[in-house]
Amino acid sequence: KQEVTQIPAALSVPEGENLVLNCSFTDSAIYNLQWFRQDPGKGLTSLLLIQSSQREQTSGRLNASLDKSSGRSTLYIAASQPGDSATYLCALDTDKLIFGTGTRLQVFP
Amino acid sequence: GAGVSQSPSNKVTEKGKDVELRCDPISGHTALYWYRQSLGQGLEFLIYFQGNSAPDKSGLPSDRFSAERTGGSVSTLTIQRTQQEDSAVYLCASKPGQAYNEQFFGPGTRLTVL
Repeated sequence: KQEVTQIPAALSVPEGENLVLNCSFTDSAIYNLQWFRQDPGKGLTSLLLIQSSQREQTSGRLNASLDKSSGRSTLYIAASQPGDSATYLCALDTDKLIFGTGTRLQVFP
Repeated sequence: GAGVSQSPSNKVTEKGKDVELRCDPISGHTALYWYRQSLGQGLEFLIYFQGNSAPDKSGLPSDRFSAERTGGSVSTLTIQRTQQEDSAVYLCASKPGQAYNEQFFGPGTRLTVL
């Protein structure tokens, strides 16, 4: 059974810091790995999708990497801003999405 | 273009009543998913429709839950005889049929069972 774990569970940092959010999984038989952002009381916003044959994807200040051999993905946020405050979820796509436990991020001015 | 839409956005019901939740996927997307987000369980898969294939119902928590997808487009999730533990946000997602595409999520329906 696929298990997806995210570390840390919560993170509070001053703005401007570079951040690393971790996602680990137990089964590398996946189509994609997706990173999402969820604001309180809101739905999911897709940030980045990495196909299983890819190693990383970049969008603006966000960079996500995928290492299937070690069962890990990392979301890197450069120069964090208060507007980045949200819960970040990774999800493994095996036809259906299996979500991680989430990292709750707070960036303070 | 329009994204995934869901209705109602909020639903309050009494224990024992039946509820129907609706999802309108992005036009042309052949795959449609239902997920549930509750405080104790995080985000979990419920059911998956792909084209005309039989749906994957492996995530439905009990036989009180059912879903259908009419004409390969709109989907309805029905919960019969609701219980308090059914209270959650129900999210719908769709994607083009190929496996390597991303899923796009609707805003969700917040269900509260009193």
